[in-house]
Amino acid sequence: QKEVEQDPGPLSVPEGAIVSLNCTYSNSAFQYFMWYRQYSRKGPELLMYTYSSGNKEDGRFTAQVDKSSKYISLFIRDSQPSDSATYLCAMSLSYGNNRLAFGKGNQVVVIP
Amino acid sequence: NAGVTQTPKFQVLKTGQSMTLQCAQDMNHNSMYWYRQDPGMGLRLIYYSASEGTTDKGEVPNGYNVSRLNKREFSLRLESAAPSQTSVYFCASSGEDRVFRTEAFFGQGTRLTVV
Repeated sequence: QKEVEQDPGPLSVPEGAIVSLNCTYSNSAFQYFMWYRQYSRKGPELLMYTYSSGNKEDGRFTAQVDKSSKYISLFIRDSQPSDSATYLCAMSLSYGNNRLAFGKGNQVVVIP
Repeated sequence: NAGVTQTPKFQVLKTGQSMTLQCAQDMNHNSMYWYRQDPGMGLRLIYYSASEGTTDKGEVPNGYNVSRLNKREFSLRLESAAPSQTSVYFCASSGEDRVFRTEAFFGQGTRLTVV
């Protein structure tokens, strides 16, 4: 079993819809949780960063962490065509431990 | 802001040829990484270097070697390329910022095809 599971199935939504992405993980020692966004033929860029369970909001993006269920989510409200990208979840064990475990990524297409 | 710079951006190799992928960062980060990204497989760590002078194997190190030349540069070498090494290779670096988070910054990638 991989440490981080993310269903890589592509997701197509109409503009303005809510996009919901999630990952599960097996290592309860993970403490830092991230979402990276990767545009086509580009490197991933950090989108959201959370520590501990709870919600974190940044504009149209909300990241949720449920450590008891080992489950993290990313929500994109009022999705735009510019949100079309691959979204990868990532997590690490502790501050200063830079070995990130990545999910496989979800390709999201927002249709105008 | 250059960030993480990878060269070359594209490369085609014949089976058995060797090559070195170069990576440099200008953010004074201690840690640097090499990943490969394949369809349906996500990012897989090949090697990483926690600090200058140290390197460690990641998830898929076979067929690769690395050199942490100095704090800025981390190279990845394929000694005898195989078609299974056709992939997109990403270099990344990370360091701790003032809000105590660890963010990895990625280069633009090297698209390697082995024929």
